[in-house]
Amino acid sequence: GAVVSQHPSWVICKSGTSVKIECRSLDFQATTMFWYRQFPKQSLMLMATSNEGSKATYEQGVEKDKFLINHASLTLSTLTVTSAHPEDSSFYICSASPQPTDTQYFGPGTRLTVL
Amino acid sequence: AQSVAQPEDQVNVAEGNPLTVKCTYSVSGNPYLFWYVQYPNRGLQFLLKYITGDNLVKGSYGFEAEFNKSQTSFHLKKPSALVSDSALYFCAVRVTGFNKFYFGSGTKLNVKP
Repeated sequence: GAVVSQHPSWVICKSGTSVKIECRSLDFQATTMFWYRQFPKQSLMLMATSNEGSKATYEQGVEKDKFLINHASLTLSTLTVTSAHPEDSSFYICSASPQPTDTQYFGPGTRLTVL
Repeated sequence: AQSVAQPEDQVNVAEGNPLTVKCTYSVSGNPYLFWYVQYPNRGLQFLLKYITGDNLVKGSYGFEAEFNKSQTSFHLKKPSALVSDSALYFCAVRVTGFNKFYFGSGTKLNVKP
């Protein structure tokens, strides 16, 4: 149980385009999902907390207009990187919890490469 | 401010030997502590957690961790390491009543045959 999927697993795009990443909780409902970014050989950096039916809460320094988060249902959150640039290239990971204060279960990650 | 420290960037151990990956934390409030493992280009896999109760917690793949409140530590241990245990390990803490996790910097475990 507690499986989280992400799609796509990798994506390559041209600079200036937008990319959407999906995060799904497959066997539980999640009122809260989290989006992280991970640079090579580094820890996870929390970008934002995605709340079902309301606006996401962004961490300090994360541009909300660039990283659009939508949590339209209890099993799906999406992260859209708008007008992507090479510096946005990274490994993006989402997580979700069956209960807001429970264990976080992570998706397999999405490798974004912006050319 | 809440924080987690993993003082070792890398731990090297021979297969069959016991392993320890260290984690200390600093929180205001009661901590919930977690260990995750990450294989290359993959998300994090949950290993174990401490919420309350017995200080020794057993988890997946033969791993265990001991919560030490006086030393504010939550070290990950395994009696006999396997080459397949080689991966990146993250310690995380959450404070009671809040859903945000704080992660350590990660420790790379190398198990040599």
